[in-house]
Amino acid sequence: AQSVSQHNHHVILSEAASLELGCNYSYGGTVNLFWYVQYPGQHLQLLLKYFSGDPLVKGIKGFEAEFIKSKFSFNLRKPSVQWSDTAEYFCAVTNAGKSTFGDGTTLTVKP
Amino acid sequence: DAGVIQSPRHEVTEMGQEVTLRCKPISGHDYLFWYRQTMMRGLELLIYFNNNVPIDDSGMPEDRFSAKMPNASFSTLKIQPSEPRDSAVYFCASSLGTSGTGELFFGEGSRLTVL
Repeated sequence: AQSVSQHNHHVILSEAASLELGCNYSYGGTVNLFWYVQYPGQHLQLLLKYFSGDPLVKGIKGFEAEFIKSKFSFNLRKPSVQWSDTAEYFCAVTNAGKSTFGDGTTLTVKP
Repeated sequence: DAGVIQSPRHEVTEMGQEVTLRCKPISGHDYLFWYRQTMMRGLELLIYFNNNVPIDDSGMPEDRFSAKMPNASFSTLKIQPSEPRDSAVYFCASSLGTSGTGELFFGEGSRLTVL
């Protein structure tokens, strides 16, 4: 069974700080990888995705993630966070139609 | 496309009452998922369907919960009888599974409060 581990449960940053959220998964086959974001009071929305090609993928709002196959990792990064990035971030792995989510990381950005 | 449509958006009910949550997936999507989200337990997968057939219902908490997908454009999640601990936001999501990337499209959620 596949599993997803997000290392940080809650991250607090000041505006303009750099962000990196860790994500590791435990499935050895071919997977598609996703980061979703959930703004307060809203539903989950896709931030970015990887399924093949360049392991460095760029998403919306300046976010990017790097797939490192040898480390089973798909870490999310942003060079300079904004107050509006305050949200919960979920890493997910999809294989054969089924998605497995990490526990989520709550990001709080202080103005 | 209208996206995944859920109803009701909010429901307040009393313990012991039956609750039915509804979901209309995106047309053409062949996978449908029901999730529950609470502060304590986070995001939990309850059940998912492929081509209207339930594939994995191991996340359904107990027999009080049931889900159906009578056709490709409609699914229900029923709780009978409801209990206060069922209070949560219930999300429906759909995706193009094996023929797509597996990206999930979520509905706005149904916020359930059981008094």
